[in-house]
Amino acid sequence: IAGITQAPTSQILAAGRRMTLRCTQDMRHNAMYWYRQDLGLGLRLIHYSNTAGTTGKGEVPDGYSVSRANTDDFPLTLASAVPSQTSVYFCASSPVVGGYGYTFGSGTRLTVV
Amino acid sequence: QQQVKQSPQSLIVQKGGISIINCAYENTAFDYFPWYQQFPGKGPALLIAIRPDVSEKKEGRFTISFNKSAKQFSLHIMDSQPGDSATYFCAASPPGNTGKLIFGQGTTLQVKP
Repeated sequence: IAGITQAPTSQILAAGRRMTLRCTQDMRHNAMYWYRQDLGLGLRLIHYSNTAGTTGKGEVPDGYSVSRANTDDFPLTLASAVPSQTSVYFCASSPVVGGYGYTFGSGTRLTVV
Repeated sequence: QQQVKQSPQSLIVQKGGISIINCAYENTAFDYFPWYQQFPGKGPALLIAIRPDVSEKKEGRFTISFNKSAKQFSLHIMDSQPGDSATYFCAASPPGNTGKLIFGQGTTLQVKP
């Protein structure tokens, strides 16, 4: 089934540890995004990539990094996790730049203790 | 300027009633306004979308009303059903070659049988 696969589904992480959230899409979409969802704040963009080899900062990029080595994969790395990074993380992709036709993954629930 | 404000935060409607969720924005350059529906444990899914040159768009029981002069848009769910119980997000796409979506804070809808 075409779509976005995120892993892990959930994770409890000790503060200060490094963690990489994985995201893979099989739709050959050019653009990919990472959002975090927090109650009362909606979804906020962390980082995005318009095409393989390029990335950009979103609204809340601090403490996070991304890479886009190929079209399909867009991992999100927390170099040194802090409790404020406790959230649900969603990866999304779209065929073209412009906000159109977003497809979201099922999310990763991350708890930093 | 980049914010999208959504209300109400939560909504309870009887089966068969009309659910109305409102969003307001400041940036008149936004050029695409989608609504997303999210069920518990799932990622958001595109429900319906509108561009600013159209005042209304209807798809089945879902209608977007768009008021460009007031910088507001709303989602109407006619004949609301218990299966519509979910969290709804409005969003707006800023201009430029980024593909970003700015999301509202979300509305949790409960439709009572």
